[in-house]
Amino acid sequence: DAKTTQPTSMDCAEGRAANLPCNHSTISGNEYVYWYRQIHSQGPQYIIHGLKNNETNEMASLIITEDRKSSTLILPHATLRDTAVYYCIVRESFGNEKLTFGTGTRLTIIP
Amino acid sequence: DSGVTQTPKHLITATGQRVTLRCSPRSGDLSVYWYQQSLDQGLQFLIQYYNGEERAKGNILERFSAQQFPDLHSELNLSSLELGDSALYFCASSVAAAFSYEQYFGPGTRLTVT
Repeated sequence: DAKTTQPTSMDCAEGRAANLPCNHSTISGNEYVYWYRQIHSQGPQYIIHGLKNNETNEMASLIITEDRKSSTLILPHATLRDTAVYYCIVRESFGNEKLTFGTGTRLTIIP
Repeated sequence: DSGVTQTPKHLITATGQRVTLRCSPRSGDLSVYWYQQSLDQGLQFLIQYYNGEERAKGNILERFSAQQFPDLHSELNLSSLELGDSALYFCASSVAAAFSYEQYFGPGTRLTVT
């Protein structure tokens, strides 16, 4: 699986958009970008995934650059409940289902 | 609530002992994954079962073993416990083995070895 690089920590004001970057410069053509988050020792929670097109769901948006070497997770209106560690994971969807978690970004939403 | 259940929530035991952690996947999910989260190693994949068969192995110690039963629940057995085995153990499930976009995680079992 391709390695990812994320900032160790970020702050965001409540109500503002939180933009979490991820670099995955060694990503291969059949690897997807996944985002999970973990709220204070709870089980990780799936957020969104994408291959090369931008994706949006009820939780977040995922913007992947054209060269696929980086991506940004956007939480459009951050709330205090979004305070968590966010993990960017790159993996194939076929043949290798395990998730390889890095250190993630600790996002703190400030009131 | 992810639909994945894990028991017990907390477990305190002594070194050298053996424990069993239990996981019930979401209804309809055939794949079960086990992960370990410790302070120094972060979240690490241990093992995956699919429909009763072992499908993938990660950094699982020989003292650890797992199985998935016909009703699809899974158990993780940890034996000859050491202080370093203290960690959060998560179980996750997904619908299938291939093209498994989402893994749903349980609340975890916190194991403390004294």
